[in-house]
Amino acid sequence: RKEVEQDPGPFNVPEGATVAFNCTYSNSASQSFFWYRQDCRKEPKLLMSVYSSGNEDGRFTAQLNRASQYISLLIRDSKLSDSATYLCVAKRGAGSYQLTFGKGTKLSVIP
Amino acid sequence: GAVVSQHPSRVICKSGTSVKIECRSLDFQATTMFWYRQFPKQSLMLMATSNEGSKATYEQGVEKDKFLINHASLTLSTLTVTSAHPEDSSFYICSAGGGESASYEQYFGPGTRLTVT
Repeated sequence: RKEVEQDPGPFNVPEGATVAFNCTYSNSASQSFFWYRQDCRKEPKLLMSVYSSGNEDGRFTAQLNRASQYISLLIRDSKLSDSATYLCVAKRGAGSYQLTFGKGTKLSVIP
Repeated sequence: GAVVSQHPSRVICKSGTSVKIECRSLDFQATTMFWYRQFPKQSLMLMATSNEGSKATYEQGVEKDKFLINHASLTLSTLTVTSAHPEDSSFYICSAGGGESASYEQYFGPGTRLTVT
């Protein structure tokens, strides 16, 4: 079983739609979680951190459920520029650099 | 923010030759650098971790004699793919950690696309 699992998609949604991505992790030692965005043939870029209390950044909302080892990302009012692959990432401890990446979920926002 | 560069951004080489990829932290000192490989539609896979002045730590299944890593200074790490073969064609991404914040955050380079013909 992979340490971080995501639905690969693709998710094809019209502009303005709301779309949700899910991710599960298997290593209970993981303590921090993130969503990264990766455009085609580019490096991953940090989108946002994920907290149990949930956090929001504009149209993006992330949520962590430690009990079920589940992470989500909600994008509201999708824009064409949101088209990318979204990577779910787990990190070990506070004093660690170690990141484990999911395969990513591809999103295409259609005009 | 912390900036990491990679050079070259793209390289095409013939089978059997060696290719060197450079990773530089431009505005901070990176005590630790990481090398990842990403095949199409796959996740980033950590290949090795290098600390300045010491030998790199390779992940399971990564051949240390094929992927030579040198981290001779706090701002430069190099990855040399020796005797490259078509199956080594991939997107290689480095990241750097360190700096004054000690937040254990990784800053990613823009990646190098290697094609072995």
